[in-house]
Amino acid sequence: DAEITQSPRHKITETGRQVTLACHQTWNHNNMFWYRQDLGHGLRLIHYSYGVQDTNKGEVSDGYSVSRSNTEDLPLTLESAASSQTSVYFCASSEGDSYEQYFGPGTRLTVT
Amino acid sequence: AQSVTQPDIHITVSEGASLELRCNYSYGATPYLFWYVQSPGQGLQLLLKYFSGDTLVQGIKGFEAEFKRSQSSFNLRKPSVHWSDAAEYFCAVTAYDQGNQFYFGTGTSLTVIP
Repeated sequence: DAEITQSPRHKITETGRQVTLACHQTWNHNNMFWYRQDLGHGLRLIHYSYGVQDTNKGEVSDGYSVSRSNTEDLPLTLESAASSQTSVYFCASSEGDSYEQYFGPGTRLTVT
Repeated sequence: AQSVTQPDIHITVSEGASLELRCNYSYGATPYLFWYVQSPGQGLQLLLKYFSGDTLVQGIKGFEAEFKRSQSSFNLRKPSVHWSDAAEYFCAVTAYDQGNQFYFGTGTSLTVIP
């Protein structure tokens, strides 16, 4: 069955380190998204991509970057992790104009 | 700017009782509206969606939602709640000119008591 996976599921890192969270989908969807989930804020969009080599900033993109070298993957990089980036991160994908996003299981990141 | 408000942070209902979760949105054009459910430690699962047409939409797990343009609302309902419905529920909005970008509410946590 097609799916969307995230790795690692849990990560503890230190302030200032670079961290990369992986997202892989097997639906061959063009659209991929990264969100962070924080108590009292719901989900907020970090970055998104509509296809290979396309990336766009979302509502809370500062301190994060993404790259899209193939259809299946959209890794999220924290250039220099900060305690404010402690959160649960969700990846999602959708096809074309379907507007129906499928979510991965999430990565819980703790920055100490 | 687009926004979604879920006024109830936490709701507790008895098993078998009816449920209504509130969602209000702010958007100038015709919105596309969604309800997602998140079980503990899991990702989000789509319950139902509204794009156009019939304002009462049916979803999975016995849920339904009604779009009321005059009230800018898209409330989620279920006639009889099951213990397995305990979860976090999120309302989300996008539109044709938002390029698949979703705006989520802050969520409503549902507790079901036996």
